[in-house]
Amino acid sequence: GAGVSQSPSNKVTEKGKDVELRCDPISGHTALYWYRQSLGQGLEFLIYFQGNSAPDKSGLPSDRFSAERTGGSVSTLTIQRTQQEDSAVYLCASSLGQTDGYGYTFGSGTRLTVV
Amino acid sequence: SQQGEEDPQALSIQEGENATMNCSYKTSINNLQWYRQNSGRGLVHLILIRSNEREKHSGRLRVTLDTSKKSSSLLITASRAADTASYFCATRGSNYKLTFGKGTLLTVNP
Repeated sequence: GAGVSQSPSNKVTEKGKDVELRCDPISGHTALYWYRQSLGQGLEFLIYFQGNSAPDKSGLPSDRFSAERTGGSVSTLTIQRTQQEDSAVYLCASSLGQTDGYGYTFGSGTRLTVV
Repeated sequence: SQQGEEDPQALSIQEGENATMNCSYKTSINNLQWYRQNSGRGLVHLILIRSNEREKHSGRLRVTLDTSKKSSSLLITASRAADTASYFCATRGSNYKLTFGKGTLLTVNP
């Protein structure tokens, strides 16, 4: 596609439920990133996928968070047993990969509200 | 942890004026990038400057980088109301992920 697509754009869920957030990167972009942005804050790195390499999961805040990337394309971020502090905008980005000189292309994000 | 710290946190100017935002960082970088965010959703990449570059231009944008001071500045000339947004600097080290600051909220008044 022309851009990075994220779905759903908004999600309201009850505390304790599991949620899945989806990201469709730009075709041909080998690198995919998930970030989280709480209200009025900067972006917090969550996880990074590069091609077939093992993902960099160093930013995942707890074991309730997991992500996968199937076939080197679509990625799903799963949050189990959601808590109110998980409420944030979850942003996905893709880039051409490890080559220097390329910025990220971001999706419009998923606004998650845990009630 | 936040690598880049933008200054000021908020800036309000009149249309036609120039806007300058600053970014400081702590560790060595491969490149530094500036992004714009409207309405708290997706970010748009504006400009990238490599660690061996000192200045770069793109349209009304001018970015400088001083690696000795670990700082960068973004200048928007002849600002427009449409430039109203949050602006973030992001640094990339050797591990390919970007680390973002908390941003500067720019308001351009018509």
